[in-house]
Amino acid sequence: DSGVTQTPKHLITATGQRVTLRCSPRSGDLSVYWYQQSLDQGLQFLIQYYNGEERAKGNILERFSAQQFPDLHSELNLSSLELGDSALYFCASSGGYTDTQYFGPGTRLTVL
Amino acid sequence: AQKITQTQPGMFVQEKEAVTLDCTYDTSDQSYGLFWYKQPSSGEMIFLIYQGSYDEQNATEGRYSLNFQKARKSANLVISASQLGDSAMYFCAMREAEFGNEKLTFGTGTRLTIIP
Repeated sequence: DSGVTQTPKHLITATGQRVTLRCSPRSGDLSVYWYQQSLDQGLQFLIQYYNGEERAKGNILERFSAQQFPDLHSELNLSSLELGDSALYFCASSGGYTDTQYFGPGTRLTVL
Repeated sequence: AQKITQTQPGMFVQEKEAVTLDCTYDTSDQSYGLFWYKQPSSGEMIFLIYQGSYDEQNATEGRYSLNFQKARKSANLVISASQLGDSAMYFCAMREAEFGNEKLTFGTGTRLTIIP
């Protein structure tokens, strides 16, 4: 158990819908990272938050957004969903720049 | 150019044998970190081992060791005395020195199957 929690574990929805994925980092970790794992793109970095502020952006679509709240939990919002958004979405957390990123169990999103 | 290259899509190894999973990387930074993660069929990503670019000794964690050859830009994972539970996908990843952008860049992974 990495100490990072993600909910829900599975999510099935239809094209055009909007979903919210939730992540709670390990106790004391200030950084939260979101990654997408799909068959065609592999593991890709989406976005990073540090203590409530956006720190870095990767290959995140404009339809996707995220935020980190004062209690340090983070949410990833995916809207206008397309079939190609079906993937495993991971949240990871770390205590700082040089620290290891520990991953949550992931949310498997299926868009029908 | 790929920043992390894992050239072995799949490997089959007899139980109790040692196995080496290859990883080469590409960076112009002097300071960087290399990681290995394991992803079993259940899907979670499990951190195995870390090597810093300035670390003089190869990292070890139990049955895992990292064969770090800086000049060749390789960071191979060695698993000693393999077990059935080692069957999984293994990903090599790199964190570069760009402050404020601490993302991990992953390779495409190697699927390891341990044969009884």
